[in-house]
Amino acid sequence: GQQVMQIPQYQHVQEGEDFTTYCNSSTTLSNIQWYKQRPGGHPVFLIQLVKSGEVKKQKRLTFQFGEAKKNSSLHITATQTTDVGTYFCAGPGGTSYGKLTFGQGTILTVHP
Amino acid sequence: NAGVTQTPKFQVLKTGQSMTLQCAQDMNHNSMYWYRQDPGMGLRLIYYSASEGTTDKGEVPNGYNVSRLNKREFSLRLESAAPSQTSVYFCASSRGRDSFPNEKLFFGSGTQLSVL
Repeated sequence: GQQVMQIPQYQHVQEGEDFTTYCNSSTTLSNIQWYKQRPGGHPVFLIQLVKSGEVKKQKRLTFQFGEAKKNSSLHITATQTTDVGTYFCAGPGGTSYGKLTFGQGTILTVHP
Repeated sequence: NAGVTQTPKFQVLKTGQSMTLQCAQDMNHNSMYWYRQDPGMGLRLIYYSASEGTTDKGEVPNGYNVSRLNKREFSLRLESAAPSQTSVYFCASSRGRDSFPNEKLFFGSGTQLSVL
């Protein structure tokens, strides 16, 4: 079935460094979503990408959807301690509407 | 608005005990979901309900049952808890309209369940 692989599993950075997490799918995705989960919290929706090659920005966060719609990335410029958490990508989980398959997540630690 | 409310927040069970996790949303959403989160495995879908009156299995349904009681409420039941069901459980909801790409999910605050 549909699989969404996410790398790296962990990333430790110094505050001010950049951070990137990558998401790859075994099949073409109609869209991809990104979520952030703060330590001890619940996942919170960040963004959805729908179009091939789409790039969206939210302040220091840049989201990309690959041309083939099989991969995506989230890049954070100049990380801050408030960026700490786990970042998940999620894609449609098969033909049933509404189901999402989540990647394993990237745990970001930011050292001040 | 409370959004998605889950109860309880914490629960400890002995092997073989049963329990029901409750979830309610006040956003008039059509679709509701139950996920479990284990270290290094992301969020895995247990069951979902695309609309009131329907439920369907996700990736890891074994050992669980669900009830979509009404549009607001979606409960998850463990009939005979096993240590492998120790996890953090999240309920989520979405608008679920067919005319859109996958709708974004709104998550509850989670239930930390330990089965001894």
